[in-house]
Amino acid sequence: AQSVTQLGSHVSVSEGALVLLRCNYSSSVPPYLFWYVQYPNQGLQLLLKYTSAATLVKGINGFEAEFKKSETSFHLTKPSAHMSDAAEYFCAVSVTGRRALTFGSGTRLQVQP
Amino acid sequence: NAGVTQTPKFRVLKTGQSMTLLCAQDMNHEYMYWYRQDPGMGLRLIHYSVGEGTTAKGEVPDGYNVSRLKKQNFLLGLESAAPSQTSVYFCATLIWTSGGSSYNEQFFGPGTRLTVL
Repeated sequence: AQSVTQLGSHVSVSEGALVLLRCNYSSSVPPYLFWYVQYPNQGLQLLLKYTSAATLVKGINGFEAEFKKSETSFHLTKPSAHMSDAAEYFCAVSVTGRRALTFGSGTRLQVQP
Repeated sequence: NAGVTQTPKFRVLKTGQSMTLLCAQDMNHEYMYWYRQDPGMGLRLIHYSVGEGTTAKGEVPDGYNVSRLKKQNFLLGLESAAPSQTSVYFCATLIWTSGGSSYNEQFFGPGTRLTVL
């Protein structure tokens, strides 16, 4: 069975600082990995996804993530945080067969002025 | 093109009452899903459907039923609501193409906030 662990339920950075949100997965088969963002009182929006093409994946809003098989990680980064990045971020792995997603518990990103 | 819509957006129920949440999509996607979101737990899969007339259980199916009579609609029912079902419910659809950039991408609705008193 697949699972996802997001380290840190809350992360706070200063505007302009590096954003690093951590995600580790477990999977018995090559995974498909995703990062979603959720702004307050809204649904989920796809930031980026890894589907075994390139290990460094670029997404929307300047975010990127690197798939590291040896570390079973898919950490999300952004070089310079913006106030508008404040939201909750979810890492997810796809499940074979039913093709549903297994989500991590989420990381709330706070950006300080 | 509305994408994925959910009805209603908010609802308050009393314990023991029943209700149905409607998810509608206009993207002709085969797969549809119901998730619930609770603080600190991410989203958990309740039920899903791989096509019209099919349904299957997810991780947390107890207390819920679903139906997919039409391809574009996926209904989630609570027969006898309990306070533990207070949550935000999200519907999602899936486009699945072998290869290409659309592979295995889920599209989410805006959510339904349900409170059971």
